[in-house]
Amino acid sequence: SQKIEQNSEALNIQEGKTATLTCNYTNYSPAYLQWYRQDPGRGPVFLLLIRENEKEKRKERLKVTFDTTLKQSLFHITASQPADSATYLCAHNTGTASKLTFGTGTRLQVTL
Amino acid sequence: DGGITQSPKYLFRKEGQNVTLSCEQNLNHDAMYWYRQDPGQGLRLIYYSQIVNDFQKGDIAEGYSVSREKKESFPLTVTSAQKNPTAFYLCASSTRGADTGELFFGEGSRLTVL
Repeated sequence: SQKIEQNSEALNIQEGKTATLTCNYTNYSPAYLQWYRQDPGRGPVFLLLIRENEKEKRKERLKVTFDTTLKQSLFHITASQPADSATYLCAHNTGTASKLTFGTGTRLQVTL
Repeated sequence: DGGITQSPKYLFRKEGQNVTLSCEQNLNHDAMYWYRQDPGQGLRLIYYSQIVNDFQKGDIAEGYSVSREKKESFPLTVTSAQKNPTAFYLCASSTRGADTGELFFGEGSRLTVL
């Protein structure tokens, strides 16, 4: 069965640096990948979506890439700020909008 | 403001009791979902509904029940048959038929079984 994997270890970076989070999937390539941000005790908030025929997507300081050869999506936050500290979830769907499968999330901690 | 409202935010239950979590949305979305989140695990889909009066089981539906009598509402009942109900429950909605399926989440309900 399809699995979606994120690094369970927290990522600690210094303010101003670029944070890079990884999302790997097994087996077949999903139609698209989504990235969400989740703060402690809150619901996830949608950030970006990238389709399988897109290499890169940008939104302000955020950038997502999708490499179907490596079966991987990378999520970048440039010029990171302490306010970016949160858990970031990736999710995929194979074309049916009804069900998303989520990774476990990677916690990002940005320090001064 | 449009959004999804879950209640209660915190709920305590004794073993053997059924509890119902409320989820209301005013986004005019056709599709609604219930996920469960446990530490160290991804969100797992319990039930989803794409249209009023219809719903499907997700990956972990055992011990749960839902109804979808109104477009705006999708309550989840955690029954006494659910063996490990302590968790963070998230309700979400999306536009039906959209191929992207971006989800809008509520703030969650944390259920603790005493």
